[in-house]
Amino acid sequence: QQQVKQSPQSLIVQKGGISIINCAYENTAFDYFPWYQQFPGKGPALLIAIRPDVSEKKEGRFTISFNKSAKQFSLHIMDSQPGDSATYFCAAKAGGFKTIFGAGTRLFVKA
Amino acid sequence: EPEVTQTPSHQVTQMGQEVILRCVPISNHLYFYWYRQILGQKVEFLVSFYNNEISEKSEIFDDQFSVERPDGSNFTLKIRSTKLEDSAMYFCASILGSVSYNEQFFGPGTRLTVL
Repeated sequence: QQQVKQSPQSLIVQKGGISIINCAYENTAFDYFPWYQQFPGKGPALLIAIRPDVSEKKEGRFTISFNKSAKQFSLHIMDSQPGDSATYFCAAKAGGFKTIFGAGTRLFVKA
Repeated sequence: EPEVTQTPSHQVTQMGQEVILRCVPISNHLYFYWYRQILGQKVEFLVSFYNNEISEKSEIFDDQFSVERPDGSNFTLKIRSTKLEDSAMYFCASILGSVSYNEQFFGPGTRLTVL
């Protein structure tokens, strides 16, 4: 119930392409869904986040799509760049409690 | 921009030794967390701390672990007798308040290596 399932485990995309990472959850108490970007040797950094009363949120090249009925959400990276190569974690929170992370997706954008 | 800081960046210790990992959360934040990440794996919650007491802990956070806020700025994680499997990155995080959409800020991490 506390898990967030993330796929794929790794992703290779050509420069300029679209990167898509998918996540699913079970716990309906989750009310905040952040995505984190992590570069090697660094801590996770908040990339973009969404609340379940919204179906889509866009910030620059990054878009979250949220399907509350299916309990699924996804991250789309448009016009992917080599600098986007990192590990991406979806996550979920309920109130001020712990953040539950997905397993992570290693994205590599080929130049 | 305010940030969470952690020291040391890398700690090497012998199995059975005690280690203390230190964190300075963002100054006006009220909730503090420790997470760990074993190499190549996901970030796992260890413990949350609010109002000078543990508010939640995971099954990983057993009697070998303890947390403390010894003064108004530091937040520490102590591992009493380290095991090989404690080798991981340990991240401290802090958040302003209890509302879920308050951004959780992570520190750069401490890499713990247990030999």
